[in-house]
Amino acid sequence: GDSVTQMEGPVTLSEEAFLTINCTYTATGYPSLFWYVQYPGEGLQLLLKATKADDKGSNKGFEATYRKETTSFHLEKGSVQVSDSAVYFCALSTNTGGFKTIFGAGTRLFVKA
Amino acid sequence: DARVTQTPRHKVTEMGQEVTMRCQPILGHNTVFWYRQTMMQGLELLAYFRNRAPLDDSGMPKDRFSAEMPDATLATLKIQPSEPRDSAVYFCASGPGQGENEKLFFGSGTQLSVL
Repeated sequence: GDSVTQMEGPVTLSEEAFLTINCTYTATGYPSLFWYVQYPGEGLQLLLKATKADDKGSNKGFEATYRKETTSFHLEKGSVQVSDSAVYFCALSTNTGGFKTIFGAGTRLFVKA
Repeated sequence: DARVTQTPRHKVTEMGQEVTMRCQPILGHNTVFWYRQTMMQGLELLAYFRNRAPLDDSGMPKDRFSAEMPDATLATLKIQPSEPRDSAVYFCASGPGQGENEKLFFGSGTQLSVL
């Protein structure tokens, strides 16, 4: 079945460091891909998305490119801030079984001042 | 500011008791999802609805869990009887029904502790 695999955390970085969180997926058909972010005590919120191969989603300095050949959607940010500390979830949605959204396990990011 | 509302925010109960969690989706949204979040399993899809009809509840333990949408403004997730392994954060999310491009809007979750 469809699934999402993302790198295990926690990831700990110093402020202004470069961030990469790896995400790969398995899906039948052509999924849309998403990154969601969860701040402490809150629900998830959409960070960015890409709906077809080679699309780049971007928001708040984060970006991810839909790579069909490597079935990947890695999240990157050039310079992280303390306020970026959160849990990041990679997700996909396909029309298999009626357009349900499936999430990876989440990667916790700590950014130190 | 439209948001998904979940109640209660926290629930502590004893093993064997019934637990009911409620969700009010965003007005006009026609898809509703229930997810469970634990440290070990991450975010698991339990059930989801489109236009109030259940489309998939294969992620839910059928013997004790049930999910319903009595009307368009209310979704419920019930556990009876509850067990300590059910302790988790339960999230409801709703979406406008845009197919595979759909952005989901999450509630703040119900933190359930079963003693």
